[in-house]
Amino acid sequence: DAKTTQPPSMDCAEGRAANLPCNHSTISGNEYVYWYRQIHSQGPQYIIHGLKNNETNEMASLIITEDRKSSTLILPHATLRDTAVYYCIAPRTGTASKLTFGTGTRLQVTL
Amino acid sequence: GAVVSQHPSRVICKSGTSVKIECRSLDFQATTMFWYRQFPKKSLMLMATSNEGSKATYEQGVEKDKFLINHASLTLSTLTVTSAHPEDSSFYICSARRGSNEKLFFGSGTQLSVL
Repeated sequence: DAKTTQPPSMDCAEGRAANLPCNHSTISGNEYVYWYRQIHSQGPQYIIHGLKNNETNEMASLIITEDRKSSTLILPHATLRDTAVYYCIAPRTGTASKLTFGTGTRLQVTL
Repeated sequence: GAVVSQHPSRVICKSGTSVKIECRSLDFQATTMFWYRQFPKKSLMLMATSNEGSKATYEQGVEKDKFLINHASLTLSTLTVTSAHPEDSSFYICSARRGSNEKLFFGSGTQLSVL
């Protein structure tokens, strides 16, 4: 897997956009960037993934830089329920592909 | 989205007993399932990769005789913690995917407490 680096924690006011950065400077050309989040004492939840184009779904947007060395997950209107640990992962492709988790970013959404 | 069911959600057992945790993909066939463990306030640690019909591949430092994994069908993998001890107390999470480059879907986790 490509090594990913995320800030350990971030705060965001409810209703504002939460922008979570991730550095993956060693990513190779065919490795996707995945984002998951984990709310306390639950299994991780898939959010979004992308290769090189920006992606958007009902949960979030993913902005990947042109050189693919970093990305940003955007939660456009954060709510208290978005408080969680967010993980950015870039697994190897192919049959050996597996997801190994780093330390992630603990996002605290406040009133 | 796809659903992965994990059971039980919580188990308390005596030291020396064995505990079985089940992981089922409810609406898709999972060629590969993964087992993770997580200590409080720590990240998920991959324990093993389970492929249907073959032996599991364990990560370095994980005892295969301690953590028995069986992936007998495309929808079911089990993790058995044998002769559990208090240090095995942890949150265990399974995940599954359809194909080799597909995203993972996670179970809700099992909190194991060994007394």
